[in-house]
Amino acid sequence: QKEVEQNSGPLSVPEGAIASLNCTYSDRVSQSFFWYRQYSGKSPELIMSIYSNGDKEDGRFTAQLNKASQYVSLLIRDSQPSDSATYLCAVTSNYGQNFVFGPGTRLSVLP
Amino acid sequence: NAGVMQNPRHLVRRRGQEARLRCSPMKGHSHVYWYRQLPEEGLKFMVYLQKENIIDESGMPKERFSAEFPKEGPSILRIQQVVRGDSAAYFCASSPTQEADYGYTFGSGTRLTVV
Repeated sequence: QKEVEQNSGPLSVPEGAIASLNCTYSDRVSQSFFWYRQYSGKSPELIMSIYSNGDKEDGRFTAQLNKASQYVSLLIRDSQPSDSATYLCAVTSNYGQNFVFGPGTRLSVLP
Repeated sequence: NAGVMQNPRHLVRRRGQEARLRCSPMKGHSHVYWYRQLPEEGLKFMVYLQKENIIDESGMPKERFSAEFPKEGPSILRIQQVVRGDSAAYFCASSPTQEADYGYTFGSGTRLTVV
C-alpha cells in the first residue's frame, strides 16, 4: 500500500528560528512532490513543489528531495507566527493522476 | 478569474438523509478530483472525473457514495443515507490536464455534519 508518513507534531519553534518538516514515502515510482499548508478550518494551499533531487528555494521556504532515501523535507527560515498551520506532504500516485497525502505536521511558531 | 468553487460551505444532515456536494472547476479545467478529510486526519483521495467520465474511483466507499461530472454544470458528490462517520470536510480540486504533476488548487471545501 502506497503511504506517505510525517511526524504529527506539534512542532514548536520560536519566532525567527528555522522550522524543519520531514516526510517519507513508500512508492518508488512517485515523480512529483508537494507541500501544502492548511490553516485550521481552511482548505490546503500549495506552497512548494519539487521534482528532482536536491534543493529548491522559494522565499523563506526550501524543499529538499532525496529519491534514493524516499525522503522530502521543507525548511521554513525566519519562522513567523503566521506560519503556524498544518503542513501536508503530497506525492503523486497512479501515474500522476492523483495525490497521496501524509497526515500532516502541525507547526506552532511561538512569538 | 474565479478559482474552484464549492457549495455549500457547510451542510448539516440528519442520519439517513442525502447529501449533495457541488464543485465547479476553474474555467477551462475538465478534470476534477474529490478528497475527504476526516477530523484530525489527512486528505484521502476519493474519485477522479473528467467530463461525463469517472476515471478513478478507487478511493470511494463501495456503498452510498457516487460522483458525476456532467457535460454541463458542476461535479456532484452524492452521499445517500448519511451516517455520523460521513462527517468530514470534502474538498474538490481541478486541473486542465490529467496529470497532477504541477499540483492543483483546492476549493474552499464543504463541511458536512451529520447529526
